[in-house]
Amino acid sequence: DQQVKQNSPSLSVQEGRISILNCDYTNSMFDYFLWYKKYPAEGPTFLISISSIKDKNEDGRFTVFLNKSAKHLSLHIVPSQPGDSAVYFCAASPSTSGTYKYIFGTGTRLKVLA
Amino acid sequence: DTGVSQDPRHKITKRGQNVTFRCDPISEHNRLYWYRQTLGQGPEFLTYFQNEAQLEKSRLLSDRFSAERPKGSFSTLEIQRTEQGDSAMYLCASSLAGPGETYTFGSGTRLTVV
Repeated sequence: DQQVKQNSPSLSVQEGRISILNCDYTNSMFDYFLWYKKYPAEGPTFLISISSIKDKNEDGRFTVFLNKSAKHLSLHIVPSQPGDSAVYFCAASPSTSGTYKYIFGTGTRLKVLA
Repeated sequence: DTGVSQDPRHKITKRGQNVTFRCDPISEHNRLYWYRQTLGQGPEFLTYFQNEAQLEKSRLLSDRFSAERPKGSFSTLEIQRTEQGDSAMYLCASSLAGPGETYTFGSGTRLTVV
């Protein structure tokens, strides 16, 4: 049972344009969400988070949007840069459990074309 | 602090052999997590520690797997009688318990069972 789904395995975007990565979840208990970026041969690195009390969080070129009613979140990268090429994972946790045990999606491979 | 360190980076072993991986977390982090990632999948939760106590284990963690975190510092993950299905990237992450908790991952140990 895949509780966190990233239905697009890959995405290609031209440099300077917007990248939109999507993530859907099924567990209504999830209330804290993260995005991680992973380069080959490295561990995932934290990018941005959002709590269910918000519907948007912005950090520089990265913005995460949360639609609780649709159980959907998205990561926007504007403008996209070649260095953004990586695999992006969304992750969700029911923070009320007190453990912050994150469930990860299967990832979307972003390729930014120069 | 140099972040989360994992050793070794790569391990090739014959089926049936035992292997042990080590993780050194960020020193001030009190939580330590082990995840496993296979090709095309996101990281899957295996187990976590708060200080030296192992508080949760996934059903993915068969009896052949054991993890320890003596003295609440570094952690080891041992796999006994390895099987080809154990081939994966084993990721360690550490965090500081609290609201908005995020993980810092190590670079992982890639295990290949031949």
